[in-house]
Amino acid sequence: QSALTQPPSASGSPGQSVTISCTGTSSDVGGYNYVSWYQQHPGKAPKLMIYEVSMRPSGVPDRFSGSKSGNTASLTVSGLQAEDEADYYCSSYAGSIVVFGGGTKLTVL
Amino acid sequence: QVQLVESGGGLVKPGGSLGLSCAASGFTFSAYYMTWIRQAPGKGLEWVSYISHTGGTIYYADSVKGRFTISRDDAKNSLYLQMKSLRAEDTAVYYCAKIRRWAFEYWGQGTLVTVSS
Repeated sequence: QSALTQPPSASGSPGQSVTISCTGTSSDVGGYNYVSWYQQHPGKAPKLMIYEVSMRPSGVPDRFSGSKSGNTASLTVSGLQAEDEADYYCSSYAGSIVVFGGGTKLTVL
Repeated sequence: QVQLVESGGGLVKPGGSLGLSCAASGFTFSAYYMTWIRQAPGKGLEWVSYISHTGGTIYYADSVKGRFTISRDDAKNSLYLQMKSLRAEDTAVYYCAKIRRWAFEYWGQGTLVTVSS
């Protein structure tokens, strides 16, 4: 049950775009279209931002988008805003279990 | 609106036991898989266990297998996690969450479990 690999940090200026990667294996990210992304502000519960690789739940701004290529999934945040500063986690179904990435701290400069 | 409210956290000695509960409302609880996820202080998210809508399918992370037991009571719209043989490394905020299409659609506010002598 190895964790997915995310960069520990990412940053961008307001209005810019930033992409966070999430690398797994053919047993998780590469094997299923069940990758999801979560935003977590300090002291708060995580919030679902993307599910099934690229689907946005109702209420999530379209500035957030997801994609996948092979064993790597990506979350792109366009038009960065101050409130996007948070920790972001990816997750993937892995055929009976679920695995998370280690998390990426996104800083808005 | 969907609400998930965890309870039962607290301080427990190593080797001890503790039971967590999650009260659900705002959706048809019996129709959904449910899960427990934890987060150690200052660390990332770790999936712990999930249970199917019927209770017939249950899986655990290797780190808790044999020590934790997940269950549900659809009549009470409640999810449970019974934890035994607790270790210091089990110290974390424990969240319950509703699963939809293998994503954690809604989360509770979490309950803190501290394992310390």
